[in-house]
Amino acid sequence: DADVTQTPRNRITKTGKRIMLECSQTKGHDRMYWYRQDPGLGLRLIYYSFDVKDINKGEISDGYSVSRQAQAKFSLSLESAIPNQTALYFCATSAPAGLGNEQFFGPGTRLTVL
Amino acid sequence: QKEVEQDPGPLSVPEGAIVSLNCTYSNSAFQYFMWYRQYSRKGPELLMYTYSSGNKEDGRFTAQVDKSSKYISLFIRDSQPSDSATYLCAMEKTSGSRLTFGEGTQLTVNP
Repeated sequence: DADVTQTPRNRITKTGKRIMLECSQTKGHDRMYWYRQDPGLGLRLIYYSFDVKDINKGEISDGYSVSRQAQAKFSLSLESAIPNQTALYFCATSAPAGLGNEQFFGPGTRLTVL
Repeated sequence: QKEVEQDPGPLSVPEGAIVSLNCTYSNSAFQYFMWYRQYSRKGPELLMYTYSSGNKEDGRFTAQVDKSSKYISLFIRDSQPSDSATYLCAMEKTSGSRLTFGEGTQLTVNP
């Protein structure tokens, strides 16, 4: 089984709809991240959480919110989706700070907002 | 201006070629450097990690860091079709802090 799973894998929705993307991990990591990936812009950090009670904004948090329901679960919400939120979304996890900070990524969710 | 610049390609080479992938960065606070590989329809996975200036070798892959020039490279020797993927550079200012990614270079190795 995959260590980092994301649901759904693909989603098409309409402008103004509320959308939730879910992420679960079995790696036992405290740190979790949400990124979006766009052609020409690479991976950009939306939100991150270093433990269950910690939530931090990334570089592009406007229009998004997150919830850390448990150590293993981190969900991303779009309260009112707009077309420029069409992108590939990745969840990632990492162990506490140490040499390397390797992040482990899920398979991604392809979101299309019409 | 982006903190990390990476030529997006696409780059197409014949099997067996030496591939050079590069990133430049503007912030001298970056101290830790990584290369991630992303296959189509998959999430990125860590390929190489380096800290100090100089070279680090792992099989057919060599990561090079030149902090004085703010320039990092990934070399792939004897490239294989299975190396076809997008390669993203990433860097952080302190260990365990947020990663800043380049936009990725799409590489195709033709048999």
